[in-house]
Amino acid sequence: GQQVMQIPQYQHVQEGEDFTTYCNSSTTLSNIQWYKQRPGGHPVFLIQLVKSGEVKKQKRLTFQFGEAKKNSSLHITATQTTDVGTYFCAGRNTGGFKTIFGAGTRLFVKA
Amino acid sequence: DTEVTQTPKHLVMGMTNKKSLKCEQHMGHRAMYWYKQKAKKPPELMFVYSYEKLSINESVPSRFSPECPNSSLLNLHLHALQPEDSALYLCASSQSEGDYEQYFGPGTRLTVT
Repeated sequence: GQQVMQIPQYQHVQEGEDFTTYCNSSTTLSNIQWYKQRPGGHPVFLIQLVKSGEVKKQKRLTFQFGEAKKNSSLHITATQTTDVGTYFCAGRNTGGFKTIFGAGTRLFVKA
Repeated sequence: DTEVTQTPKHLVMGMTNKKSLKCEQHMGHRAMYWYKQKAKKPPELMFVYSYEKLSINESVPSRFSPECPNSSLLNLHLHALQPEDSALYLCASSQSEGDYEQYFGPGTRLTVT
């Protein structure tokens, strides 16, 4: 069945350092979504990528969707303590009916 | 209004109890979801309702029974749960099934004793 792998599992950074999380699928995706879950909170939608090779930016966050639509990344420039949380990618198979969440990457930022 | 509400926030129940979780949205979304989330794990899809009809049941045990009374409400009826069912239960909604972002509620923290 469809699987969405996400690495790393954890990342500890010093405030001001950059951070990247990667997502890989065994099958071609129709889209990839990214969510952020703060400690004790619920997932909050960040962005959706649909096109092959698409790149989108939200302030310090840069999202990419691979050319083959099988991988994606989220890059945060100059992390801040407010970036703390778990970042999930979520992908939907081409022709599939459900969105599968990656395992998530927990980001810890030390001030 | 982009909010999904869930009640109760916390629930403690015994294995012989019957309880219900409630979810509500007023965004006009036609797809609604139940997820189960264990600590340090991703949300795990349980059920999907599309236009008030059950669209996906991820082989969830029958002690969990979903209900969609109307397009704004989603319930999850619980009966004879096991301690391993303790988790955060998240409700979400989206414009419809398909390539649309999901809006999550704050969740119900369930403890089964």
